[in-house]
Amino acid sequence: AQSVSQHNHHVILSEAASLELGCNYSYGGTVNLFWYVQYPGQHLQLLLKYFSGDPLVKGIKGFEAEFIKSKFSFNLRKPSVQWSDTAEYFCAVMDSNYQLIWGAGTKLIIKP
Amino acid sequence: KAGVTQTPRYLIKTRGQQVTLSCSPISGHRSVSWYQQTPGQGLQFLFEYFSETQRNKGNFPGRFSGRQFSNSRSEMNVSTLELGDSALYLCASSPRDRGVNYGYTFGSGTRLTVV
Repeated sequence: AQSVSQHNHHVILSEAASLELGCNYSYGGTVNLFWYVQYPGQHLQLLLKYFSGDPLVKGIKGFEAEFIKSKFSFNLRKPSVQWSDTAEYFCAVMDSNYQLIWGAGTKLIIKP
Repeated sequence: KAGVTQTPRYLIKTRGQQVTLSCSPISGHRSVSWYQQTPGQGLQFLFEYFSETQRNKGNFPGRFSGRQFSNSRSEMNVSTLELGDSALYLCASSPRDRGVNYGYTFGSGTRLTVV
């Protein structure tokens, strides 16, 4: 069965630092890939998604992710984080049964 | 455009009782999915409906059930509640069957506490 691994459960950065959150999934084939964000007290929001085409995907709020098929990875990046990026970030993969399989999440804290 | 609306926001139930949660998708969205979110297990898929038909079911016991109405609103029911059912239950909607090539928009969830 498909599984999703997010390498870091907690990340603490200072404002203006660069961010990269790792996400790996367990097997290939055609996949739909997503990053969602959950700000404190708010609902899950879609940051970006990949279905096909350009493996570098740009999302909202300056986030981007790169799909590397050979590495089964879909890492999330942002060149310069802000205090308002403090949130929990979830990677998800749609498996061959069209179910969303979720990573455990990464809690990101940005120090002002 | 209204988002995904879940009611109620909070519920406290006693072990052994049953509970029904409601979800109204975004207007025009015909696919509704349900997820359970807990600190220990994270986000887990419960089931998905499209045009009143269950399209997919996760690995949960039969105490968890759902349905979708002709207006795309969905309900999920948990019978014989157990303490371990305490969780945030999330509903998500999509205009596409199984969210293919679109993804899902989530509601704020219903926080269920079983005592």
